Amino acid sequence: KNQVEQSPQSLIILEGKNCTLQCNYTVSPFSNLRWYKQDTGRGPVSLTIMTFSENTKSNGRYTATLDADTKQSSLHITASQLSDSASYICVVSGSTGGFKTIFGAGTRLFVKA
Amino acid sequence: DGGITQSPKYLFRKEGQNVTLSCEQNLNHDAMYWYRQDPGQGLRLIYYSQIVNDFQKGDIAEGYSVSREKKESFPLTVTSAQKNPTAFYLCASSPTGRGPLDTQYFGPGTRLTVL
Repeated sequence: KNQVEQSPQSLIILEGKNCTLQCNYTVSPFSNLRWYKQDTGRGPVSLTIMTFSENTKSNGRYTATLDADTKQSSLHITASQLSDSASYICVVSGSTGGFKTIFGAGTRLFVKA
Repeated sequence: DGGITQSPKYLFRKEGQNVTLSCEQNLNHDAMYWYRQDPGQGLRLIYYSQIVNDFQKGDIAEGYSVSREKKESFPLTVTSAQKNPTAFYLCASSPTGRGPLDTQYFGPGTRLTVL
């Protein structure tokens, strides 16, 4: 069964600190993995996309890594800001079967002053 | 939210009533999607459309209906047959709807509450 699991479910950090969010998946055959940021009550916004051959991708203070062998990805946030408070969703797409896209449940990040 | 609008932002409905959620995009995208988001769960696909006048059921289509009469519009009707309709509904569009690298862009969402 194709699944995407994220951890932790929620996280509280102090402003200025770094944090790392995890994503494990079982989608196969694999095509790509995306990280989205979703502010409360808003739609998700794409942060990064990585294909099989890519193992790191940065977008400002956000750096995503991918290990396609172990089917794991992480999203590292550097020098967190209050505006980073949001849900971060890992999304994995397969390369066959109608290009199935599976959404993780997300990690809820709270950045405190 | 990139050229995708959803209305209304909040919607309240009595049990037994049908209600229609609006989704419009000005990105000239071929494909449009409807998702449902519940607390603690990933987005689940309700319906999608890759071309005007054609649409396909997603994973949880029961109790929902859609139409795609215009390229820029993809309204979703939540019918009285939907047993648990209270949720956050997200509309998305993508350039082609074909291929796993086709990026989806999301609207701001509509929160539906059944009273």
